[in-house]
Amino acid sequence: GAGVSQTPSNKVTEKGKYVELRCDPISGHTALYWYRQSLGQGPEFLIYFQGTGAADDSGLPNDRFFAVRPEGSVSTLKIQRTERGDSAVYLCASSQAGQTNNEQFFGPGTRLTVL
Amino acid sequence: AQSVTQLDSQVPVFEEAPVELRCNYSSSVSVYLFWYVQYPNQGLQLLLKYLSGSTLVKGINGFEAEFNKSQTSFHLRKPSVHISDTAEYFCAVSAYSGYSTLTFGKGTMLLVSP
Repeated sequence: GAGVSQTPSNKVTEKGKYVELRCDPISGHTALYWYRQSLGQGPEFLIYFQGTGAADDSGLPNDRFFAVRPEGSVSTLKIQRTERGDSAVYLCASSQAGQTNNEQFFGPGTRLTVL
Repeated sequence: AQSVTQLDSQVPVFEEAPVELRCNYSSSVSVYLFWYVQYPNQGLQLLLKYLSGSTLVKGINGFEAEFNKSQTSFHLRKPSVHISDTAEYFCAVSAYSGYSTLTFGKGTMLLVSP
C-alpha cells in the first residue's frame, strides 16, 4: 500500500516568506508527527497529532510555526516569516495509534531552503 | 526527558567485515529502543526495535542489536556488511508511558567500501 507522502519534495524560498508543507499519512493512521532534521543532526520532534487535535506541540521552536490536521488525515505545517535558520528537512511520520510501541512510518521529507 | 548519544559520526568499514554502531541513552523513565536507517534522499526506515523480552533483537537486512540496561546501551551489529548498507543510522528512544514521540541521536554514517 501507499506509504507516507510529503509535498513538495524541495522548497526554496526567500527570507521573510510564508511556506506550507504537506503530509499525507498512511490511510487509517490516527497518529501523525512532524520532525525537523537539520544538517548533521538527528530528527527533532516538532508536533504530534492524535486525530484532528494537536496533542503535543512542545517541539515547535516559536510562534512562527503552526500545524493543522483539520480532518484527521492530511496535515499541513505552516511557517511564517521564514528565516535562514529554518532551512532543514521536515519529516512527517504516522502510526496506527499513539502508543509508544507503535511503529512510526516516515515520509521522504521536504527539504526547505531559505535564502 | 530522554537523550541519545551516538559517539561515532562516521564509521568506515570494508565490505564483508563486521561492524558495530554504538548507541547510549539516558532516561529517567523506562524506554523503548529503535534503530532507523536512512538511505540517501529517502525517508527513515525501521531496522529493529526493542520493546520487551529477549535483549537480543534481530532486524531486517541481517542487523541485530543488544539491549543492555545496566550500561544503558543499544548497540547495532552486523557480522558482514555489504556496499548497499552504506547509509545513515539513527538510534532512537521513546518513553513507555504516554505517546510515542521519538528522541533521536545525531546519527552514524556507515561507509562501506570494496
